[in-house]
Amino acid sequence: GAVVSQHPSWVICKSGTSVKIECRSLDFQATTMFWYRQFPKQSLMLMATSNEGSKATYEQGVEKDKFLINHASLTLSTLTVTSAHPEDSSFYICSASRGGERVTYGYTFGSGTRLTVV
Amino acid sequence: TQLLEQSPQFLSIQEGENLTVYCNSSSVFSSLQWYRQEPGEGPVLLVTVVTGGEVKKLKRLTFQFGDARKDSSLHITAAQPGDTGLYLCAGVRTGGFKTIFGAGTRLFVKA
Repeated sequence: GAVVSQHPSWVICKSGTSVKIECRSLDFQATTMFWYRQFPKQSLMLMATSNEGSKATYEQGVEKDKFLINHASLTLSTLTVTSAHPEDSSFYICSASRGGERVTYGYTFGSGTRLTVV
Repeated sequence: TQLLEQSPQFLSIQEGENLTVYCNSSSVFSSLQWYRQEPGEGPVLLVTVVTGGEVKKLKRLTFQFGDARKDSSLHITAAQPGDTGLYLCAGVRTGGFKTIFGAGTRLFVKA
């Protein structure tokens, strides 16, 4: 159990366009989802915490107008990179948690999305 | 400053060798997790340790949580090329909610 599906796995887009990445929990309801960014050979950097039915909480330095997060249901969170630029090229990963006491037991991660902005 | 310091950052060894990766902090954690990530994939949870002094084994991998719950180690016995990947420790500080990640240890096992 505890499968998280992330789509697309890779995307190439032109500078100035917007890209939407989906994160779905397939076999459980995820009250909380997290979005990370990972640069080559580096660890994960938390961008924002997405809570179902409420506004996302962004980490310091992350532009909320640039990275739009929507968590409209208990199984789906989306990250939209708006007006993408080459510096937004990165590996984006989501993770999901059932919330509550399970928070301390680890998260299930999606397989990641490689975004390349040309 | 990293709240979770991982060492070494990079490790290249021959197949069959043993290795230990460390994850240290000055903070107390309610739990620590170890993940392995392969290129182009998301991290996969290996283990969660919760109790101070706890030792967990997963085949050739042995995980230990420090008595004071400030540190953890991952020991791999007789490493194999399939163990190659980025190993990440992560945890939730006592009283906290957010998971903190270490910078990772990149392991390369040569055949």
